[in-house]
Amino acid sequence: DQQVKQNSPSLSVQEGRISILNCDYTNSMFDYFLWYKKYPAEGPTFLISISSIKDKNEDGRFTVFLNKSAKHLSLHIVPSQPGDSAVYFCAASEGGTSYGKLTFGQGTILTVHP
Amino acid sequence: NAGVMQNPRHLVRRRGQEARLRCSPMKGHSHVYWYRQLPEEGLKFMVYLQKENIIDESGMPKERFSAEFPKEGPSILRIQQVVRGDSAAYFCASSPYIGSTDTQYFGPGTRLTVL
Repeated sequence: DQQVKQNSPSLSVQEGRISILNCDYTNSMFDYFLWYKKYPAEGPTFLISISSIKDKNEDGRFTVFLNKSAKHLSLHIVPSQPGDSAVYFCAASEGGTSYGKLTFGQGTILTVHP
Repeated sequence: NAGVMQNPRHLVRRRGQEARLRCSPMKGHSHVYWYRQLPEEGLKFMVYLQKENIIDESGMPKERFSAEFPKEGPSILRIQQVVRGDSAAYFCASSPYIGSTDTQYFGPGTRLTVL
């Protein structure tokens, strides 16, 4: 049962353009969402998060949008840079007694071409 | 301040052997999470530990897998009698306090290959 889904295995974008990565979830108990970036042979690195009480959170070139009614979130990267090329994971947490346990999507490979 | 350390980085075992994966959390962190990433999949939660306590092991297979986080020393994930399906990347994360989400810091992972 895949509670967090990233339906696009890969995305290719030109440098300077916008990258949009999408994520859908099915568990209505999720109330905190995160994006992680992962390079080969390294562990995931936290990028940005959003609480279910918000619909947008921005940090520099990264913006996360949350649509609770659609159970959908997206990560926008503007402008995209070649160094952004990595695997991006969407993750969710139930809060409360979840003790911070994260449920991850399958990941999207982003390639930014110079 | 050193990050989360995991060793070994690569581990090769034959079917039926034991695998021991170690995780040293960041300094000052007393909470450790273990996740497993199978090929072509995302990370899946296995177990959450505090010093000397298992808080949530709902993601751990019922047999052959165990985890500990002793008062002194690293956290250990132990897999007995490994099978080919155990081949995966195992990631450890640590956090400074309970229920932390965006302050979970991940280690580089241990890649287990079972021949």
